[in-house]
Amino acid sequence: GAGVSQSPSNKVTEKGKDVELRCDPISGHTALYWYRQSLGQGLEFLIYFQGNSAPDKSGLPSDRFSAERTGGSVSTLTIQRTQQEDSAVYLCASSLRGGGQGRHNYGYTFGSGTRLTVV
Amino acid sequence: DQQVKQNSPSLSVQEGRISILNCDYTNSMFDYFLWYKKYPAEGPTFLISISSIKDKNEDGRFTVFLNKSAKHLSLHIVPSQPGDSAVYFCAASARSANAGKSTFGDGTTLTVKP
Repeated sequence: GAGVSQSPSNKVTEKGKDVELRCDPISGHTALYWYRQSLGQGLEFLIYFQGNSAPDKSGLPSDRFSAERTGGSVSTLTIQRTQQEDSAVYLCASSLRGGGQGRHNYGYTFGSGTRLTVV
Repeated sequence: DQQVKQNSPSLSVQEGRISILNCDYTNSMFDYFLWYKKYPAEGPTFLISISSIKDKNEDGRFTVFLNKSAKHLSLHIVPSQPGDSAVYFCAASARSANAGKSTFGDGTTLTVKP
């Protein structure tokens, strides 16, 4: 597709349930990032996939969070046993490759996010 | 301990005037800085970046200034336009290669009044 697609755009779930959030990156982009933005705060890095390398999971807040990237393309972020503090907008971004990519176009394209509400 | 701080949650300026958005950081390992703009219900879009080897980077109406000794950077938008109204995030990383893992500030909401 032309951009990064995330689904669903909104998700309301009951506390304790598991949720899966999907990200379709731009075709050919080898780098994929997940972020979380809680209300009134900046983006918080969660996890980074680069090609076939092992993902950088250093930003995941707990072992209830996990992510997969199948075939180097679509990624799924899974939150198990959701808690109210997991409520946030979850953003995905992709780039042709990681790192800085030039003066005028850094190359990171963000999706519109999934707004997760845990009730 | 918040490593990237945007102390002004909001800023309002008149169309045509200069908008100055400020950002402070505490981690001396940060050497690559980015500004993003975010409209409601959309993902952030990259605006401009600066490496610590520079103290200024300009791109059209947008200029970023970096003061390493003060651990401070600012984004200047001149002239401001109503379409610039958005939330602006400052982000910092140690090395541009880690920019995707940047630490973000909480954002400043800019309103440009016609």
